[in-house]
Amino acid sequence: ETGVTQSPTHLIKTRGQQVTLRCSSQSGHNTVSWYQQALGQGPQFIFQYYREEENGRGNFPPRFSGLQFPNYSSELNVNALELDDSALYLCASSSMGEGLKGETQYFGPGTRLLVL
Amino acid sequence: DAKTTQPTSMDCAEGRAANLPCNHSTISGNEYVYWYRQIHSQGPQYIIHGLKNNETNEMASLIITEDRKSSTLILPHATLRDTAVYYCIVRVGLYGNKLVFGAGTILRVKS
Repeated sequence: ETGVTQSPTHLIKTRGQQVTLRCSSQSGHNTVSWYQQALGQGPQFIFQYYREEENGRGNFPPRFSGLQFPNYSSELNVNALELDDSALYLCASSSMGEGLKGETQYFGPGTRLLVL
Repeated sequence: DAKTTQPTSMDCAEGRAANLPCNHSTISGNEYVYWYRQIHSQGPQYIIHGLKNNETNEMASLIITEDRKSSTLILPHATLRDTAVYYCIVRVGLYGNKLVFGAGTILRVKS
């Protein structure tokens, strides 16, 4: 069974640029959730994707957007990067429709983004 | 989702049991207690979850009080590799619910 993978592991961008982060869900999972973790804080929910549609969103501006593909992998896109976007971006996969056990979210290793 | 309260930090001697408390006094009847941990700069790792019965798996035990207002995560024989931030989260067991992380407890296992 393959776990959750994310790419790239590290990324450096400058203010105003755009970035795309990628996530491959765990085998058998159909739902992907994205979180942002600033230094010294707990992860904050950005949004979730199920069946290629957004299925819930946290308190993040529209410049944070996402996609889910038919193979359940997902992308997080951030436009007009700001310095405060520097953080660890985490992807978690789960399996909606398979009861509570399936709903447990399993996290990938994260992508560390630095905005200069 | 109900809020949780955890101590900021705890120390534990290697080989001893680590008991991490969590208060969730406003928990609703359909909310589950989840525990995750995060080792420095890695993604959070799922540990265990429960509703009202005590639970045990290969990693830990979860003890939930009868009134469900608090719980304790027990690592039976802590090792140095268990040093991490431990998050207690309550969430409704319905589809699509996000995890709301607090500050967690920094557990330091010392030799």
